[in-house]
Amino acid sequence: RKEVEQDPGPFNVPEGATVAFNCTYSNSASQSFFWYRQDCRKEPKLLMSVYSSGNEDGRFTAQLNRASQYISLLIRDSKLSDSATYLCVVNNGAQKLVFGQGTRLTINP
Amino acid sequence: EAGVAQSPRYKIIEKRQSVAFWCNPISGHATLYWYQQILGQGPKLLIQFQNNGVVDDSQLPKDRFSAERLKGVDSTLKIQPAKLEDSAVYLCASTRDSLVQYFGPGTRLTVT
Repeated sequence: RKEVEQDPGPFNVPEGATVAFNCTYSNSASQSFFWYRQDCRKEPKLLMSVYSSGNEDGRFTAQLNRASQYISLLIRDSKLSDSATYLCVVNNGAQKLVFGQGTRLTINP
Repeated sequence: EAGVAQSPRYKIIEKRQSVAFWCNPISGHATLYWYQQILGQGPKLLIQFQNNGVVDDSQLPKDRFSAERLKGVDSTLKIQPAKLEDSAVYLCASTRDSLVQYFGPGTRLTVT
């Protein structure tokens, strides 16, 4: 079983729609969680951290469910510029991050 | 603040040849990482340095890959000899003392 699992997609949604991704992790001792964004042929960049109480940053909402070992990302009112690959990332200690495969999202006009 | 620098940006070599990649992290960042990202997959950690010491190289194919960070600043990753399956983007990342990693633009390697 992979340490971090994501549906690779692709997700194709119309502009303005709401889209959600889930990610599951296998290590119950995982300490911190993140979503990174990676544009085509570019490097990954931090989108947001995921806190136990859930957190929101503009149109983006991240949630963590430790009991079920999954995290989610919700994008509201999607924009064309949201088209990218979204990487679920888990910290398993010692500043080491484990990346999921990524979920590819395309927003259509 | 300057970002993570990597060179070259692209490299094409034949199998069995050797290749080296260079990374200069953000100034003051003690921890440096090398990742391999194969098309359609997430980055996979190859090696993690804390200053000039290796923290984790458990996923580094040591029969052909080597890395060093002699002065605790910039780093080189070498592949010798290269195989077709080494075709990937090699990403360098750094962090000061947190979990947020900053990535360089990567080196896209094609092995023919």
